[in-house]
Amino acid sequence: AQKVTQAQTEISVVEKEDVTLDCVYETRDTTYYLFWYKQPPSGELVFLIRRNSFDEQNEISGRYSWNFQKSTSSFNFTITASQVVDSAVYFCALSEVLTGGSYIPTFGRGTSLIVHP
Amino acid sequence: DVKVTQSSRYLVKRTGEKVFLECVQDMDHENMFWYRQDPGLGLRLIYFSYDVKMKEKGDIPEGYSVSREKKERFSLILESASTNQTSMYLCASSLRRLAGTDTQYFGPGTRLTVL
Repeated sequence: AQKVTQAQTEISVVEKEDVTLDCVYETRDTTYYLFWYKQPPSGELVFLIRRNSFDEQNEISGRYSWNFQKSTSSFNFTITASQVVDSAVYFCALSEVLTGGSYIPTFGRGTSLIVHP
Repeated sequence: DVKVTQSSRYLVKRTGEKVFLECVQDMDHENMFWYRQDPGLGLRLIYFSYDVKMKEKGDIPEGYSVSREKKERFSLILESASTNQTSMYLCASSLRRLAGTDTQYFGPGTRLTVL
């Protein structure tokens, strides 16, 4: 079973539409970290946000917002008024402690977002 | 700005060749990672290292080895390349020992084709 599930393989929207990318995770740890990364067509993953398991406050950064809900093990990402430049593959990742104390991120399979002009 | 560089953007090798993929980071990060990215499978961890000469297996280490002789450099080695190792390889680094608490910085990737 996947630890991080991004059920949406590909989403296609028209510019200025709002879009939500879903991320559902699975862990037994009480302390863990969640991330979102963006991979534009150039290929280099870029960090967007990190959230620890004790901080359930939603976060907004410009047109981006994140909704973390421990009750449903979800960490969803919303882009408001999408733009063509938002076209990319978006990855959700979970870090939980492994045996020996290391945190190693596990990535979801990614959601490809295509924003049409 | 943290910079993670990879030796090649594109590489074409033949089956059976020994292949070296190099990754260098310039911010004194403790942790370095190698992933492979395949369509529909996301990023899968091959190996990681949390210190010089230290390495740990990730989810798919078979067919790969790594070397970290210096803190800034992490090499991925394909001892005998096979066609099923055709993929995009991504290197990443993060600052501290407890790797997951830190943001990972990624290189641009190496697209390896094995013929």
